[in-house]
Amino acid sequence: AQTVTQSQPEMSVQEAETVTLSCTYDTSENNYYLFWYKQPPSRQMILVIRQEAYKQQNATENRFSVNFQKAAKSFSLKISDSQLGDTAMYFCAFMKFVGNTPLVFGKGTRLSVIA
Amino acid sequence: GAVVSQHPSWVICKSGTSVKIECRSLDFQATTMFWYRQFPKQSLMLMATSNEGSKATYEQGVEKDKFLINHASLTLSTLTVTSAHPEDSSFYICSARDSQWGTQYFGPGTRLTVL
Repeated sequence: AQTVTQSQPEMSVQEAETVTLSCTYDTSENNYYLFWYKQPPSRQMILVIRQEAYKQQNATENRFSVNFQKAAKSFSLKISDSQLGDTAMYFCAFMKFVGNTPLVFGKGTRLSVIA
Repeated sequence: GAVVSQHPSWVICKSGTSVKIECRSLDFQATTMFWYRQFPKQSLMLMATSNEGSKATYEQGVEKDKFLINHASLTLSTLTVTSAHPEDSSFYICSARDSQWGTQYFGPGTRLTVL
């Protein structure tokens, strides 16, 4: 079975600074997807970024980028130029490449951006 | 981005009544939809996986007769909480997986309060 671990329950960052959220996972699969989702106080889950395991290039979406280390089974999220609107719960998630299996979520990291 | 709607956004009902929650993928087809329950400050807990045209697969510990799931089309899944009791009060979130790209999108959630 796959597991996802987020070792930082809470983090804070000053506005305009950069912060990195950690995520490690355990799987015997070779092909899979990894995701970061954001859940702000509204509780709407929002997809932040997606990475296919077969791609060596790290995914980026504007101020959000990942450091995907397949051998180390690590998938960290870097947020640059942090904004107050980035304050949210961030969940790392794993999904098998084949079949309609559910996402496996980490427990989340609560990020607070401070003015 | 893809949109998933969920209705109602909140509902208050009396103990013993049934409540139906609708989940729709608005601009993509979803062969598979998922239903989650989320307790305060916790990660999402998967309740069931629903495939269009077939019976839902429930997670261990989730009562099939209490949480009825129907996935009648590629854009609509419903969750009916039957004979609701105060312990069923929670935040319920649906999610739809894009059949073409595999990415999973989430509805805004439904807050259920059973008096």
